[in-house]
Amino acid sequence: GIQVEQSPPDLILQEGANSTLRCNFSDSVNNLQWFHQNPWGQLINLFYIPSGTKQNGRLSATTVATERYSLLYISSSQTTDSGVYFCAVYRDDKIIFGKGTRLHILP
Amino acid sequence: TAGITQAPTSQILAAGRSMTLRCTQDMRHNAMYWYRQDLGLGLRLIHYSNTAGTTGKGEVPDGYSVSRANTDDFPLTLASAVPSQTSVYFCASSPQGYAGYTFGSGTRLTVV
Repeated sequence: GIQVEQSPPDLILQEGANSTLRCNFSDSVNNLQWFHQNPWGQLINLFYIPSGTKQNGRLSATTVATERYSLLYISSSQTTDSGVYFCAVYRDDKIIFGKGTRLHILP
Repeated sequence: TAGITQAPTSQILAAGRSMTLRCTQDMRHNAMYWYRQDLGLGLRLIHYSNTAGTTGKGEVPDGYSVSRANTDDFPLTLASAVPSQTSVYFCASSPQGYAGYTFGSGTRLTVV
């Protein structure tokens, strides 16, 4: 089946720093989405981005479907950005998640 | 508030016992999913249903069964629980295919 790999697995940053999270996938996909799981376990949609670039405040995402990767950018990090970031791809009626990037923002 | 409701929030279950995790959505979404989340392994798809009356197997279906008698409900049953099924279980839904994906708040299950 399709493989979804995220990097880095862990990231520790000082508040105010910028970061880039990467998602690689092994085959063509119909769609891709980024999620944030907060420290309380709640999973929140960030971007639905099968291709192109989208921005929402300090967060933006870019997917290059032909090269099978997506990037999530977080600018001016805040402590509330801490948690785990997942990308998930849709193919063959299934949504497959990567293992996530755990982000720690230090005050 | 519209969304997905999972029950129970948490449960301790004796090995060998059966249990059904409940998931109900009020958004009239066609597709529903069950995932388990384990430390270091991310979210893994257990079963899914693209529409009422149909179900499919995900990455880790063994030991679990599902049914989709109507649009709103998608229960997950463990027929005979084992300790390796200790996990956090998330239900999710989307309106069609893969768009507007929404998660429930999860069920924390401990099998002892």
